Amino acid sequence: DTAVSQTPKYLVTQMGNDKSIKCEQNLGHDTMYWYKQDSKKFLKIMFSYNNKELIINETVPNRFSPKSPDKAHLNLHINSLELGDSAVYFCASSQRQGRLRDGYTFGSGTRLTVV
Amino acid sequence: DQQVKQNSPSLSVQEGRISILNCDYTNSMFDYFLWYKKYPAEGPTFLISISSIKDKNEDGRFTVFLNKSAKHLSLHIVPSQPGDSAVYFCAASASGQNFVFGPGTRLSVLP
Repeated sequence: DTAVSQTPKYLVTQMGNDKSIKCEQNLGHDTMYWYKQDSKKFLKIMFSYNNKELIINETVPNRFSPKSPDKAHLNLHINSLELGDSAVYFCASSQRQGRLRDGYTFGSGTRLTVV
Repeated sequence: DQQVKQNSPSLSVQEGRISILNCDYTNSMFDYFLWYKKYPAEGPTFLISISSIKDKNEDGRFTVFLNKSAKHLSLHIVPSQPGDSAVYFCAASASGQNFVFGPGTRLSVLP
């Protein structure tokens, strides 16, 4: 199936741990994103990569580090997890920046719970 | 600073009637708008878009209206069906930049 897939779907972990969320798209898109849906349900962009190159890095703690080994993958590594990091994280992709007609294709989300 | 607002967190509509979901924005530079639909435990899926050069775009049961002077857009679903029950996100972009999303409106279509 052509899609944006992210793993794991659920992640429960203790404060202070380091964890990673993986994302892969097989749509041939050039640009990938990480969005965070906070407790107020807003979807806020965290990072954007275009062909493995970092394009957008919003005000995100440097405990969050994206890694794009190739244009089909964008992983998110989080160090020293805090309670406030609990949220749903969505990966997304688009054909290229500036080509907006079809918007983004989103993954199904990773619900991260820090206890 | 909420640039995209969806002031109704939820909306209930009877099956067969019209659903109207509203979205307001503050940034006059926004020139492209999308609506996304999201079911529980799934990612948002693209529904319909509109460019600022238009004031209406229609796709089947879904119509999006844009009022630039009021910085307001709305999504009309006619007729509403139970399968339309979901959270609807409005998103806006300026000059090809990344989209800014609203907080969503949960639509419940009652049989």
